[in-house]
Amino acid sequence: GAGVSQSPSNKVTEKGKDVELRCDPISGHTALYWYRQSLGQGLEFLIYFQGNSAPDKSGLPSDRFSAERTGGSVSTLTIQRTQQEDSAVYLCASSRLAGDTGETQYFGPGTRLLVL
Amino acid sequence: AQSVTQPDIHITVSEGASLELRCNYSYGATPYLFWYVQSPGQGLQLLLKYFSGDTLVQGIKGFEAEFKRSQSSFNLRKPSVHWSDAAEYFCAVGPFGDYKLSFGAGTTVTVRA
Repeated sequence: GAGVSQSPSNKVTEKGKDVELRCDPISGHTALYWYRQSLGQGLEFLIYFQGNSAPDKSGLPSDRFSAERTGGSVSTLTIQRTQQEDSAVYLCASSRLAGDTGETQYFGPGTRLLVL
Repeated sequence: AQSVTQPDIHITVSEGASLELRCNYSYGATPYLFWYVQSPGQGLQLLLKYFSGDTLVQGIKGFEAEFKRSQSSFNLRKPSVHWSDAAEYFCAVGPFGDYKLSFGAGTTVTVRA
C-alpha cells in the first residue's frame, strides 16, 4: 500500500517568509509525528498527534512553529518568519497505534527546507 | 532523559566483508531500541527493533542486532555487505510508555568494490 507522503520534496524560501509543509500519513494510522533532521544531526522530535487527543507540542523549538492535523489524517507543519537555522529536512512519520505502544513509525521521504 | 550515541560517523567497508555499527544508549530501564536505514533521498526504513525477550534480533536485508544490557549497547551487524547497503544508519531509543524516539547522529556506510 501507499506509504507516508510529504510535499513539497524541496522548498527554498527567503528569511522571514512563512512556509507550510504537508504530510499524508498511511491510511488508518492514528498517530502522526514530525521530526527535524539538521545537517550532521540525528532526528529531533517536534510534535505528536494521536487521534482526537491534544497534540504533544513539547518538541517545537519556538512559537514560530505550529502544526495541525485535520480530520485525523493530513497534517501541516507551519513555520512562520523563517530563519536560516530552520534549514533542515523535516520528516513526518505515522504509526498504526498510539506511540506509547512502541508501534513502528513509518517515515516519509521528508521535505528539504532551505532558508536563504 | 534518554540519549543515543553512535560513535562512528563514517565507516567504509569492502563488498562482501562484515559490518558492525555501534550504538550506545543512556536510559534507566530497558527501552525500546530501533535501527533505521536512510538511503539518499529516501525516508527512514525500519531494519529491526527490540522490545524484550531474545537479545539477538533479526531484521530485514540480512541485518541483526544484539542488545547487551550490561554495556547499554545495541550494535547492528551484517555478515556480508552488498553495495546496496551503502546508506546512513540511525539507532533510536524510545522509553517504554513514551513515543518520543531519540535518535543518534547516524553512521554513514560506504561500500567499496
